Amino acid sequence: QVQLVESGGGVVQPGGSLRLSCAASGFTFTIRNMHWVRQAPGKGLEWLAFMHHDGSPRYYADSVRGRFTTSRDDSKNILFLQLNSLRVEDTAVYFCATDGLHWDLDLWGRGTLVTVSS
Amino acid sequence: QSALTQPASVSGSPGQSITISCTGTSSDIGNYNYVSWYQQHPGKAPKLIIYEVNKWPSGISDRFSGSKSGNTASLTISGLQAEDEAHYYCNSYTTSSTWMFGGGTKLTVL
Repeated sequence: QVQLVESGGGVVQPGGSLRLSCAASGFTFTIRNMHWVRQAPGKGLEWLAFMHHDGSPRYYADSVRGRFTTSRDDSKNILFLQLNSLRVEDTAVYFCATDGLHWDLDLWGRGTLVTVSS
Repeated sequence: QSALTQPASVSGSPGQSITISCTGTSSDIGNYNYVSWYQQHPGKAPKLIIYEVNKWPSGISDRFSGSKSGNTASLTISGLQAEDEAHYYCNSYTTSSTWMFGGGTKLTVL
C-alpha cells in the first residue's frame, strides 16, 4: 500500500525542539524528492521545506529557515524534520508529501500535530 | 513570501460550474507552468487534483479543469456535486526555488 505516515508530534514549550518522522511505504522512496507542509488550526496550507532524493539541494521557507532542518534515512525509508527554537506560531499539523516530478505534491500523509505552548 | 491570493469562499448549486482564481506574481505563477491545485475535506489530508496548470493525476475527474493567464491561475469545477464541498488550494513553484500556496477557498455546494 502506497502511503506516508507522520509521527513525532506532541506538546512542547516555546524554545524547545522536536523531531518529526515520515515513514514511506509502497513505493521507491530513494528516488523521490520530498516536501514538508504545515497547517495551523483553522488556517491554510504553508509550504515549509523540500529535500532532493540525493540529499541536496534542500530548500526552506523564510519562516523556518535556520530553525527547521529536513533529512532522510533511505535505508529505513524515513524522512525527518528537526524543529528547533519552536514558537507558539509553529503550532500546526505537519504533513509530509512526495514531489510528483512536476513540482507538485502528489502523495500526502495524514499529518502529525505539534503544539507549542507553555 | 506572501501567499498567493484566492477568494475566501465561493458557492454554487449542484450541476452548476464555479471558478476559483489564484493570483500571484511574475516570480511564481507568471514565470512557470508549475501550478497545482489541491482539494481538502475537513480533517483530511490535501489531495492533488490538477498539476502543471491543467493536467489530471490518475483517478481525478475531468469535471476539474485548470487554466492560466499571466499571473493568474484558475480552477473550474463543472457539474458541481455535493462531495465537491471542500477547501481548495492553489500552489506554484517560485523563482526562489520554493513553493507557495494560496490562502485557500472554501467551496459551498448549496
